[in-house]
Amino acid sequence: QQQVKQSPQSLIVQKGGISIINCAYENTAFDYFPWYQQFPGKGPALLIAIRPDVSEKKEGRFTISFNKSAKQFSLHIMDSQPGDSATYFCAASNSGSARQLTFGSGTQLTVLP
Amino acid sequence: DAGITQSPRHKVTETGTPVTLRCHQTENHRYMYWYRQDPGHGLRLIHYSYGVKDTDKGEVSDGYSVSRSKTEDFLLTLESATSSQTSVYFCAISESRGTGTEKLFFGSGTQLSVL
Repeated sequence: QQQVKQSPQSLIVQKGGISIINCAYENTAFDYFPWYQQFPGKGPALLIAIRPDVSEKKEGRFTISFNKSAKQFSLHIMDSQPGDSATYFCAASNSGSARQLTFGSGTQLTVLP
Repeated sequence: DAGITQSPRHKVTETGTPVTLRCHQTENHRYMYWYRQDPGHGLRLIHYSYGVKDTDKGEVSDGYSVSRSKTEDFLLTLESATSSQTSVYFCAISESRGTGTEKLFFGSGTQLSVL
């Protein structure tokens, strides 16, 4: 059972454009929603995270938008750069526990120069 | 990668042979994890440990066993490797601080091919 559905599977964006990756979840007990970024040959690394008490969180060019009623959250990358080319995973857990993290299937982002 | 070393980085083995992957951390974090990464499936938890000799199963634990005899080392064993276990395996660590925002730190992965 896939509890976190991520789309699109792959995304190609021109330099300077906006990249948008979407995730939907089913378990209403989820209360922690991180995004991880993975470069080729490396392990994933935490990029940004949000808790459901806020609808948006911004860190530099990266923004998470959260819609609790729709059970959806998304990652927006503003002014996308070739260095942002990576695989992005959304995830969700209840009680903020890493032991209960469920990951989405991943989105491979390519930013063209 | 946050003081996490996985070995080997690459391994090719034959069906039916035992395989052990090692994860070593220098961060003294309490929790250690083994994930596998497959196209279309994201990251799936195999086993995790919450202390020396304390382990529990994850989502995809069948065919895998783990051991943790020291805080810094977490071993993943495939008793009899199968082709379906061809994957990239990641070790991760975390430390619960009661903030409800637990962060995973990942190693660089082991590419395992079972022929």
